[in-house]
Amino acid sequence: DVKVTQSSRYLVKRTGEKVFLECVQDMDHENMFWYRQDPGLGLRLIYFSYDVKMKEKGDIPEGYSVSREKKERFSLILESASTNQTSMYLCASSPTSGRTLLAKNIQYFGAGTRLSVL
Amino acid sequence: GIQVEQSPPDLILQEGANSTLRCNFSDSVNNLQWFHQNPWGQLINLFYIPSGTKQNGRLSATTVATERYSLLYISSSQTTDSGVYFCASLRGNMLTFGGGTRLMVKP
Repeated sequence: DVKVTQSSRYLVKRTGEKVFLECVQDMDHENMFWYRQDPGLGLRLIYFSYDVKMKEKGDIPEGYSVSREKKERFSLILESASTNQTSMYLCASSPTSGRTLLAKNIQYFGAGTRLSVL
Repeated sequence: GIQVEQSPPDLILQEGANSTLRCNFSDSVNNLQWFHQNPWGQLINLFYIPSGTKQNGRLSATTVATERYSLLYISSSQTTDSGVYFCASLRGNMLTFGGGTRLMVKP
């Protein structure tokens, strides 16, 4: 089974702090994603990475940065946390290649990190 | 970009009841996926259904791509079906999610 592990289930941080959210996948997937989830808005893509050291902005990258130094690890960084970044953050991974189109398009999600910024 | 809208936003069912969740999307898509997020936050892929109908146990999904909607059917609902159901369309490698339907199944 694919396993996507997020380092923390719950985090409480202060406004202005630098925050790191870590995500590790064990399936050698090329693609990794960071989403935030807010009530009524579904999941919105912050950043994704299709290879080591490669990244692309998603729909809401402002206030965030990412780092992918190793294939299995994708970090989301809040340079200076603000209260409007209080949210649930979800990491996902997916393969680029696969035996079928279905296999290539399935994203596997971590359990999420609920971040509160006070 | 593609807009994805889901209805209803909230749904309460008595155990054993059937329900239909709807997903409308604003542009033609080459695939559509349904997810279930359990009460502990874990998101699981239910269906990858660009068109046609698929069934998996008590769940089935139908996508009519030409009319830009997809339906998720839950039959004989159980309390374990509670959670949030999302549909999402894939563009390149990126998913665009709808706002979700929050389902509560009461015993």
